[in-house]
Amino acid sequence: RKEVEQDPGPFNVPEGATVAFNCTYSNSASQSFFWYRQDCRKEPKLLMSVYSSGNEDGRFTAQLNRASQYISLLIRDSKLSDSATYLCVVSRLGLTGGGNKLTFGTGTQLKVEL
Amino acid sequence: NAGVTQTPKFRVLKTGQSMTLLCAQDMNHEYMYWYRQDPGMGLRLIHYSVGEGTTAKGEVPDGYNVSRLKKQNFLLGLESAAPSQTSVYFCASSYSQGLAGKYEQYFGPGTRLTVT
Repeated sequence: RKEVEQDPGPFNVPEGATVAFNCTYSNSASQSFFWYRQDCRKEPKLLMSVYSSGNEDGRFTAQLNRASQYISLLIRDSKLSDSATYLCVVSRLGLTGGGNKLTFGTGTQLKVEL
Repeated sequence: NAGVTQTPKFRVLKTGQSMTLLCAQDMNHEYMYWYRQDPGMGLRLIHYSVGEGTTAKGEVPDGYNVSRLKKQNFLLGLESAAPSQTSVYFCASSYSQGLAGKYEQYFGPGTRLTVT
């Protein structure tokens, strides 16, 4: 079983739609959670961190359920520019020297259409 | 600030050839990382460094070596390239991890390597 699992999509949605992505993680020792965005043939960039209480950044809302080991990302009022792959990332202790190891999901592809 | 830069952007190698990928960051980050990204798989950590002069193995270190002689540079070497090393390679850097790895990793633009 993969440590981080995501639905690969693609999710094809019309502009203005609301879309939700889900992610599950298997290691209960995971401590921090993130959503990264990766455009085609580009590098991943941090979209937002995910906190236990849930957090919102404009049209984006992230939720974490530690009991179910589940993370979600909600995008409201989708724009064409939201088309990208969204990577679910979890972090836990695991690097020599005290650092945290990031484990990346394979990503969920979103295509927003006119 | 240029952030994280990588050279080269593209490279084609024949099996058995060697090469070095260079990563440079100008953010004074302590930690640096090399990942590879393959279709259907998440980014996987090859090697990392928690400071100048230190390196450590990640998940998939076989066939690669690294060096961090200067804080701002992190080199990834392939001594004898194999077709299984065809991939996109990303370098990343971050401040020291602090509590629960809360510091963002900044990625370079990637190197697309094909081994024939």
